[in-house]
Amino acid sequence: SQKIEQNSEALNIQEGKTATLTCNYTNYSPAYLQWYRQDPGRGPVFLLLIRENEKEKRKERLKVTFDTTLKQSLFHITASQPADSATYLCALEVNGNQFYFGTGTSLTVIP
Amino acid sequence: GAVVSQHPSWVICKSGTSVKIECRSLDFQATTMFWYRQFPKQSLMLMATSNEGSKATYEQGVEKDKFLINHASLTLSTLTVTSAHPEDSSFYICSARDGGSGTGELFFGEGSRLTVL
Repeated sequence: SQKIEQNSEALNIQEGKTATLTCNYTNYSPAYLQWYRQDPGRGPVFLLLIRENEKEKRKERLKVTFDTTLKQSLFHITASQPADSATYLCALEVNGNQFYFGTGTSLTVIP
Repeated sequence: GAVVSQHPSWVICKSGTSVKIECRSLDFQATTMFWYRQFPKQSLMLMATSNEGSKATYEQGVEKDKFLINHASLTLSTLTVTSAHPEDSSFYICSARDGGSGTGELFFGEGSRLTVL
């Protein structure tokens, strides 16, 4: 069966540390993998996109890696801040126009 | 960035009635929009892909007669929950991709929280 799993339903880290979130998938062949942030009661907001032929992508304090052999993406937030506290979702784009989301990881950055 | 507007934000209805949720792309044209459903503390579940001018493509297990989708223009898609029951209570979110932006990202509406009494 097809699955998209994000390890750690909840992750607590100290302010200033690097948060690392994991997204693993099975039985998908995504052309793109995206990461979104979702705050309670709101719609998700796009953060980063990485293509299947890219290994790593960076944007300010964010870094994403994509390993199609392991079927895994890692999402890093460096120098984390309390304002980074939110739920983070990975999403796979398959078949050119279908998006499937992972289970989400709730990140709490402790001051 | 592009803006997707969803209406209503909150709706409470009686069991057996139908509810329509609108999703509009405000500053771009969206040939494709996506409808998701999200239960508390769970991820987004893709319900259907809405294509402008044609029938929606529903995911397995989603009843197309229950969740009617209409995408009559490049800026508007609607989801109608017909004969709603308490188990249909959920957070419904639409999204669209700006075909002209080239970035591939999805822009999401703010969601519509449906409570069926």
